[in-house]
Amino acid sequence: NAGVTQTPKFQVLKTGQSMTLQCAQDMNHEYMSWYRQDPGMGLRLIHYSVGAGITDQGEVPNGYNVSRSTTEDFPLRLLSAAPSQTSVYFCASSYSGYTDTQYFGPGTRLTVL
Amino acid sequence: AQSVTQLGSHVSVSEGALVLLRCNYSSSVPPYLFWYVQYPNQGLQLLLKYTSAATLVKGINGFEAEFKKSETSFHLTKPSAHMSDAAEYFCAVGTGGFKTIFGAGTRLFVKA
Repeated sequence: NAGVTQTPKFQVLKTGQSMTLQCAQDMNHEYMSWYRQDPGMGLRLIHYSVGAGITDQGEVPNGYNVSRSTTEDFPLRLLSAAPSQTSVYFCASSYSGYTDTQYFGPGTRLTVL
Repeated sequence: AQSVTQLGSHVSVSEGALVLLRCNYSSSVPPYLFWYVQYPNQGLQLLLKYTSAATLVKGINGFEAEFKKSETSFHLTKPSAHMSDAAEYFCAVGTGGFKTIFGAGTRLFVKA
């Protein structure tokens, strides 16, 4: 099993550009989520999904969109990048959500100039 | 609202010394509690989790944590630190609504 994979590992954007961060898991987990990690703030939940076709907002959803067309994939879209979105982004999956262990991808380090 | 507080953003210990990382939580429902570890330039991985089966939880790499409901705490300990334990540690609480709340993290430094 590859577990949770994320691409790209690094990305530099200019303000106003859009892009998609990819996330895939091969563990047949229903629950997937996106977090951003900023120094001194831990991980903050952006969006999450409890299954294909079902998504919901987390703590910091503004400026981000998600969709879940398959169990395996959960892409995160930045609509119009801003410097405040400079961060490290982690995708995670688990079998049953908040009661269960989350498995994290290796992260995407995003810089917005 | 649920929350997690980790006391101390940085902790420094000598190799062989006791490691104690503190975590307090608030939750209106019986909590699911987790400790995750993050090594440099990697994602988080589970150290241990509390799911109400036992108050003392043993995890990987010799770590353990004790759930104390009266103190709303879930502190992480290891009797003897190794250099390889240097990392950032996150306490997390699983809440209702499919969400997990993470603490701000504690970076552990181990001195030779």
